[in-house]
Amino acid sequence: DTAVSQTPKYLVTQMGNDKSIKCEQNLGHDTMYWYKQDSKKFLKIMFSYNNKELIINETVPNRFSPKSPDKAHLNLHINSLELGDSAVYFCASTQREADTQYFGPGTRLTVL
Amino acid sequence: RKEVEQDPGPFNVPEGATVAFNCTYSNSASQSFFWYRQDCRKEPKLLMSVYSSGNEDGRFTAQLNRASQYISLLIRDSKLSDSATYLCVVRLTSGTYKYIFGTGTRLKVLA
Repeated sequence: DTAVSQTPKYLVTQMGNDKSIKCEQNLGHDTMYWYKQDSKKFLKIMFSYNNKELIINETVPNRFSPKSPDKAHLNLHINSLELGDSAVYFCASTQREADTQYFGPGTRLTVL
Repeated sequence: RKEVEQDPGPFNVPEGATVAFNCTYSNSASQSFFWYRQDCRKEPKLLMSVYSSGNEDGRFTAQLNRASQYISLLIRDSKLSDSATYLCVVRLTSGTYKYIFGTGTRLKVLA
């Protein structure tokens, strides 16, 4: 059983398009995250939701819009994709009071 | 200055060697500390949490010095399978439980 899953695993698209990435966790966690890992391998937090409430919103262009329909799901919609959006996007989850964060396998986004 | 700083490496060591990684953090609101491991083109996975008293898990030993805001990871008897990027991570007490990742230290264990 996959604990944190993401779809799609690979996404290749043209500049200007709109795309979504989906994340689901079956661990019963109450907090989920989106991270971006760029070509220099730096993992940077973008957003976090706790019980469907947005609690972390880093300095991210407003072309990026997260949405959490329920505790087990966190999606990321990106409008008007740019070349600089090319990266690996990781979803993660944790139980807020606990320590361990579990990551999904990542979505490798390439914008042409 | 990055909130969590690590030497990017790469550290190239022979099998059986002992290697140490260091990490410094700048935010005094940091509450919890971890080492994660990330293999090429894979997701990060928790290697171990780091406690003030120091802790050991097999060949891996982690230390925390809160006064100096410094974390270390020691790997003894390196194996080829230890080759990966090691990420130093801190979690803040600000209420958002934000995790901040270092840029990672790349380790290559050579046969």
